[in-house]
Amino acid sequence: DVKVTQSSRYLVKRTGEKVFLECVQDMDHENMFWYRQDPGLGLRLIYFSYDVKMKEKGDIPEGYSVSREKKERFSLILESASTNQTSMYLCASSLLGAGGSNQPQHFGDGTRLSIL
Amino acid sequence: GENVEQHPSTLSVQEGDSAVIKCTYSDSASNYFPWYKQELGKRPQLIIDIRSNVGEKKDQRIAVTLNKTAKHFSLHITETQPEDSAVYFCAASRGGNEKLTFGTGTRLTIIP
Repeated sequence: DVKVTQSSRYLVKRTGEKVFLECVQDMDHENMFWYRQDPGLGLRLIYFSYDVKMKEKGDIPEGYSVSREKKERFSLILESASTNQTSMYLCASSLLGAGGSNQPQHFGDGTRLSIL
Repeated sequence: GENVEQHPSTLSVQEGDSAVIKCTYSDSASNYFPWYKQELGKRPQLIIDIRSNVGEKKDQRIAVTLNKTAKHFSLHITETQPEDSAVYFCAASRGGNEKLTFGTGTRLTIIP
C-alpha cells in the first residue's frame, strides 16, 4: 500500500518565520504535489514536481517555494510566513502512467499550519 | 486553464436513498476525471475515476457518468449508508503530467 508521510500533523509558527513542510513517499512515484485545502475552496495546487530537481508552479504559488533533491522527498517552503497562509496543507504522489496517462494521486494525512 | 465547478456544496440524503453530485469542466482537452472521498479528519482517497474513452463506470454502489459533449460528469451513490457521509471532490486533467484541477467539494450527510 502506498504511504505518503507528512512530517507534522499540526504546526504553529509566527509571521515572518521561514517554514518547512516535509513529505516523503515510499512507492518510487515520479510525481509529487503540494495542495492547500481551505473551506469552500477545495484543494488548490501550489507546486508539483515530476522528477528530481524539477518543479512546476500550480495555481497559487505566490509566497511558496519547493525543493526536490531526492525522488522520495518533496518539501514545501514558506519563505516568510503570513497569517493568510494558515491552512491545511496536503502532499500527494502518483506514478507516471504508461503512455502519459494519469494515475491516481495518493495523499498524506495533511499538516494543519497556523501562523500567528 | 481548467475550471471545475461542483454542485451542490452540501447534500443531505435519507439512508437507503441515492445521491448525485455533478461537476462541469471548461477544458475540452481534459480526459481524466477522478472522484475523491474525504472523511472527517482524514486524507482524500480515490473512490472511482473515468477516462474520456468511456461514458460510464461502476463499482458496486458507486458509478460515474461522463458527457464529453456537455463537459460534465456526475457521481452516483445508490443505497446510501451512514459511512458514505464525507466530503466528495471531483477533479479533471488533460492527462500525462498535467495537473489535476479540483472542484470545491460536496459535503454529503446520510440521515439515519
